Amino acid sequence: DIHMTQSPSSLSASLGDRVTITCRASQPINFALHWYQQKPGKAPKLLIYAGASLQSGVPSRFSGRGSDTDFTLTISTLQAEDFATYYCQQSHSTPLTFGGGTKVEI
Amino acid sequence: QVQLVESGGGVVQPGRALRLSCAASGFTFKFYGMHWVRQIPGRGLEWVAGITYDGTVEDSADSVRGRFSISRDDSTSTLFLQMNDLRPDDTGLYFCSKEVRGIHGVALDDWGQGVQVTVS
Repeated sequence: DIHMTQSPSSLSASLGDRVTITCRASQPINFALHWYQQKPGKAPKLLIYAGASLQSGVPSRFSGRGSDTDFTLTISTLQAEDFATYYCQQSHSTPLTFGGGTKVEI
Repeated sequence: QVQLVESGGGVVQPGRALRLSCAASGFTFKFYGMHWVRQIPGRGLEWVAGITYDGTVEDSADSVRGRFSISRDDSTSTLFLQMNDLRPDDTGLYFCSKEVRGIHGVALDDWGQGVQVTVS
């Protein structure tokens, strides 16, 4: 199985900050990496697919980059509605696996 | 818009069975692969099982293989997860999700709100 490691596991930030979350795969996965946002009591929401493609309706302050084993999710200017937990997920091979999550707190 | 509504969860004793259902609407169900993902406190998100759009390929996580099986009924746009021989560590919130498939593999672009399964 491909193991996904996210860092940090949590971070504190302020409105307007630039925030970067890292996801590392245990083996090369090309661009088969996706990012989700989850708020308490809600289902995950797809933000970024294929490493860097913005899902329809997602604000442009979210961006993704990376390939093979190292990926990042960046929020350029943190808004109040962005406080949530973020997960990466690989689809290079089954089983699909998720990172452990990064909680973005005020 | 896409709606996925899970049902069938509850409290069950170890060793018993449950069958989860996911009623889909707002898209052409038979054209999409579907998945079950669970969220266990302290263990984050865990993919459980997936099935291709035509039902020809099913796969599941090692932790549930041989106990859980995924299936679909395109005539009613419903996804199922048959869970047998349940264990306490199967306790969690189970989500139904719709895939978007491309050269990047599979991302999950729509999710239900989840159904709670408690094995105790």
